[in-house]
Amino acid sequence: DTAVSQTPKYLVTQMGNDKSIKCEQNLGHDTMYWYKQDSKKFLKIMFSYNNKELIINETVPNRFSPKSPDKAHLNLHINSLELGDSAVYFCASSPPASGVGTQYFGPGTRLLVL
Amino acid sequence: AQRVTQPEKLLSVFKGAPVELKCNYSYSGSPELFWYVQYSRQRLQLLLRHISRESIKGFTADLNKGETSFHLKKPFAQEEDSAMYYCALSEGTDKLIFGTGTRLQVFP
Repeated sequence: DTAVSQTPKYLVTQMGNDKSIKCEQNLGHDTMYWYKQDSKKFLKIMFSYNNKELIINETVPNRFSPKSPDKAHLNLHINSLELGDSAVYFCASSPPASGVGTQYFGPGTRLLVL
Repeated sequence: AQRVTQPEKLLSVFKGAPVELKCNYSYSGSPELFWYVQYSRQRLQLLLRHISRESIKGFTADLNKGETSFHLKKPFAQEEDSAMYYCALSEGTDKLIFGTGTRLQVFP
């Protein structure tokens, strides 16, 4: 299947822990994104990478660190998790020359911090 | 400042009724607008973009620059249209700004 995949789907952890979410796309896209969807379903961009280079970093706490080992992968590492980090995190990618508006989303990772 | 406004959190209609999901935007440049949809237990997906001027699943959306609106319309709602709908604005070439979303419920 050609798609954007994320692991894990669910993540339950204690405050203060460090966790990572992985994202992979096999669509051959150059640009990848991380979004956070809060409990009110508000979807907000966190980061975007183009060909492994950071393009957007939206006032996200330093505890969040994205890493792109290659253009097909964009992982999100979160240090010292806080209650407010509980949300659904979506990865997305967009093809070259299509503009930023055409994005393909992953299934989401539901993070619950206790 | 809120760039994309979807004033309704929830819109409930009966099957066969017309649907209009409202979206207003603020952007000084030449806007590109999109509608994304998230069906229950499915991933967010692009529904349509104003540049294409297309009808997808019976939905259309016209960009009205005078009213800075991009409302999503369908003349006859179906139960399978029940979903979360997000209006989005392309800000330059870097990112999409999403509205807060409207949940559409279509009752039989």
